[in-house]
Amino acid sequence: SQQGEEDPQALSIQEGENATMNCSYKTSINNLQWYRQNSGRGLVHLILIRSNEREKHSGRLRVTLDTSKKSSSLLITASRAADTASYFCATDGASGTYKYIFGTGTRLKVLA
Amino acid sequence: DAGVTQSPTHLIKTRGQQVTLRCSPKSGHDTVSWYQQALGQGPQFIFQYYEEEERQRGNFPDRFSGHQFPNYSSELNVNALLLGDSALYLCASSSLRGVTEAFFGQGTRLTVV
Repeated sequence: SQQGEEDPQALSIQEGENATMNCSYKTSINNLQWYRQNSGRGLVHLILIRSNEREKHSGRLRVTLDTSKKSSSLLITASRAADTASYFCATDGASGTYKYIFGTGTRLKVLA
Repeated sequence: DAGVTQSPTHLIKTRGQQVTLRCSPKSGHDTVSWYQQALGQGPQFIFQYYEEEERQRGNFPDRFSGHQFPNYSSELNVNALLLGDSALYLCASSSLRGVTEAFFGQGTRLTVV
């Protein structure tokens, strides 16, 4: 079963616009990670945010975490065509043992 | 420094056959987890190996088994293949010595016909 749910399921934007994806989960966590997947290949790690953190930045990526609402968001600023991919959040369910539970993903399409 | 490597990249097997997939973790990592990703779905946790033992297991039948070697590399074995086993199989590498990111390989695309 899926722990997390990403929202929206699909998103289509113009190059240069910002893209926001949301993730909700069900149980307490130690950390949450965001991954990108291109064309059904391997997952590329984007950001890890710990349960005691509220916001993290990495380049054009900004991740927020609200543990009271059991939700996280990923913002990609100034999107590029190369950002077209599926984005997944993964939570460890407070196990701290890397048994990550993934949502169903958001499919982002950036139009040139 | 090589990342997580998986082999083979693609594989086609016949229903009822057995398959072995291989994974070498990132340098410095001691824990390997396996995931199954069906088309259009998120990855599902199969099991995890640490210190050559299965530490955790997801909701997968006993047809799915694995092994970890002293050099931390790992194998995933699936017996009596079913059509529904067709999926992308992903290996994730991490370290239980601290909270670090889990890194994934490029996956093995298994097709059962």
